[in-house]
Amino acid sequence: SAVISQKPSRDICQRGTSLTIQCQVDSQVTMMFWYRQQPGQSLTLIATANQGSEATYESGFVIDKFPISRPNLTFSTLTVSNMSPEDSSIYLCSTSPGDGTEAFFGQGTRLTVV
Amino acid sequence: GQNIDQPTEMTATEGAIVQINCTYQTSGFNGLFWYQQHAGEAPTFLSYNVLDGLEEKGRFSSFLSRSKGYSYLLLKELQMKDSASYLCAVKDSNYQLIWGAGTKLIIKP
Repeated sequence: SAVISQKPSRDICQRGTSLTIQCQVDSQVTMMFWYRQQPGQSLTLIATANQGSEATYESGFVIDKFPISRPNLTFSTLTVSNMSPEDSSIYLCSTSPGDGTEAFFGQGTRLTVV
Repeated sequence: GQNIDQPTEMTATEGAIVQINCTYQTSGFNGLFWYQQHAGEAPTFLSYNVLDGLEEKGRFSSFLSRSKGYSYLLLKELQMKDSASYLCAVKDSNYQLIWGAGTKLIIKP
């Protein structure tokens, strides 16, 4: 199993600013995933972060808007840049330590942009 | 494309049994997962099926038929705390999780 500490748990931000979300895993993991979940909807994958290489972004998400860092096998950050009210959502980091195992999630960051 | 379908919302009575269905069409299959998510919280793992059949874990059971691209989550002896969203997810050939939209389960006394 894996325990992920994610922070901040929530924030209210002004439009045009940026917020960096951090996730710390209690064990080394190869891949970390960043999701967005808008109210009443399921999880949408933003990008996959591998240590030592650039993140792989899903369709509709770009590095300039959501830069990701993965400096080592236990840590990753997601920045939501130049925020607008449409970025208000819950952001979740996740990892799956093995191919056949379940995904583990951080506690989530509830972001409100005003 | 890849697709996972599950009902948007279901209502059941405390103490009863409810079955939440999930059908999927994905490029490859490396297991199906069910997660529970309470409002404002992260998803928590409930069950994992990779072979056909029924997996039982306490009040919760999950069934898989790979030939039919079908799974269900069965919740018995429903409690008020079971009110949550239930997410079905499939790992595709790239071991990427494909998520359903979730089923909001409302439990009434």
